[in-house]
Amino acid sequence: AQSVTQLGSHVSVSEGALVLLRCNYSSSVPPYLFWYVQYPNQGLQLLLKYTSAATLVKGINGFEAEFKKSETSFHLTKPSAHMSDAAEYFCAAPSQGGSEKLVFGKGTKLTVNP
Amino acid sequence: DAGITQSPRHKVTETGTPVTLRCHQTENHRYMYWYRQDPGHGLRLIHYSYGVKDTDKGEVSDGYSVSRSKTEDFLLTLESATSSQTSVYFCAISGSGGHYEQYFGPGTRLTVT
Repeated sequence: AQSVTQLGSHVSVSEGALVLLRCNYSSSVPPYLFWYVQYPNQGLQLLLKYTSAATLVKGINGFEAEFKKSETSFHLTKPSAHMSDAAEYFCAAPSQGGSEKLVFGKGTKLTVNP
Repeated sequence: DAGITQSPRHKVTETGTPVTLRCHQTENHRYMYWYRQDPGHGLRLIHYSYGVKDTDKGEVSDGYSVSRSKTEDFLLTLESATSSQTSVYFCAISGSGGHYEQYFGPGTRLTVT
């Protein structure tokens, strides 16, 4: 069964520094991969989606993610953190077996220090 | 934003009482999901629906039931609420076509005392 692992439940960066949030999937190459963002007291919002059309995917708010099959990874990056990026980030992949289900990682909480 | 609303947004209830949470969508999407979110556990699927009257269990379905009598509404019922069901509950929707992209509602914070 597919599983998604996010390394680091908490990541802290300074404003203006590089943001790197890690995500690894476990099973056969998924057709899609997702990053979601959750701001405090809100629902999850789609940040970006990998569809195999391109290994480097650009999302909203300056985030991007690169799919690396050899590393079974889909890490999320942003060159320069902004205070407004403070949120929790979730990586997700389709669950094997269909039914349009997603498997989510446990999330990484990003703190941005001034 | 996808047209998804959840009601109530906050609820406090006592152990042993039944509770029903409602998810309403205006997108006419086929798939609907109920998740719970707890610290350290991320999002866990409770139940999902792949059409009117078609539902199936997720990974944490014990103590929960669902119903979907119309495309737009998906109800989650806690048959007899327990303190372990204190959580934030999210509804999500997804269209057909195998794209898996889900859109989430704003959540319901449930406290069972």
